[in-house]
Amino acid sequence: EDKVVQSPLSLVVHEGDTVTLNCSYEVTNFRSLLWYKQEKKAPTFLFMLTSSGIEKKSGRLSSILDKKELFSILNITATQTGDSAVYLCAVGLTGTASKLTFGTGTRLQVTL
Amino acid sequence: GAVVSQHPSRVICKSGTSVKIECRSLDFQATTMFWYRQFPKQSLMLMATSNEGSKATYEQGVEKDKFLINHASLTLSTLTVTSAHPEDSSFYICSARDPRGSTDTQYFGPGTRLTVL
Repeated sequence: EDKVVQSPLSLVVHEGDTVTLNCSYEVTNFRSLLWYKQEKKAPTFLFMLTSSGIEKKSGRLSSILDKKELFSILNITATQTGDSAVYLCAVGLTGTASKLTFGTGTRLQVTL
Repeated sequence: GAVVSQHPSRVICKSGTSVKIECRSLDFQATTMFWYRQFPKQSLMLMATSNEGSKATYEQGVEKDKFLINHASLTLSTLTVTSAHPEDSSFYICSARDPRGSTDTQYFGPGTRLTVL
């Protein structure tokens, strides 16, 4: 059975801290790994990773994939209260018509 | 970026009634849309894959006669929860794949919170 596991499940940090969120996976036919941010409603797309070792960056957020060790990390530097959300990791599989398997999510709370 | 809308955002209904939720891709044509269910503080559980012009593909354990999916056009998929019961109360989210982008990137609608009394 395909599995996507995120850690930690929840995290509270102070504004300005740097956080690292983890996503590990055990799947057959890996194609891609995606990160989403979910606040009150719809998840919003952050990154898609397909190759090992290539960092994707967007402002204070960055992510990298290790296909040998089967995990990805999402880094957020200089956190702000607006970063408070659930961060979801999902894996896309070949031969599944774009279906995604989601992890349980990491709930991040950034306090003043 | 790709925009997906969902309607209604919230619905309350009596047990035994049917509820229809619409999912629309606003600025692109989506041959494939997905329906998810999310319980409080849990992740997204895929219910079914909706393909334009053909039958939906349901995940194991999802009753296709209870959760009717219709994808009659390239911009609209509907999910009808038939004979709803309190245990169907949940947050339902749709997503769509933008064919102009990568295979796996899905764009999500804002979700519909269903409460069955």
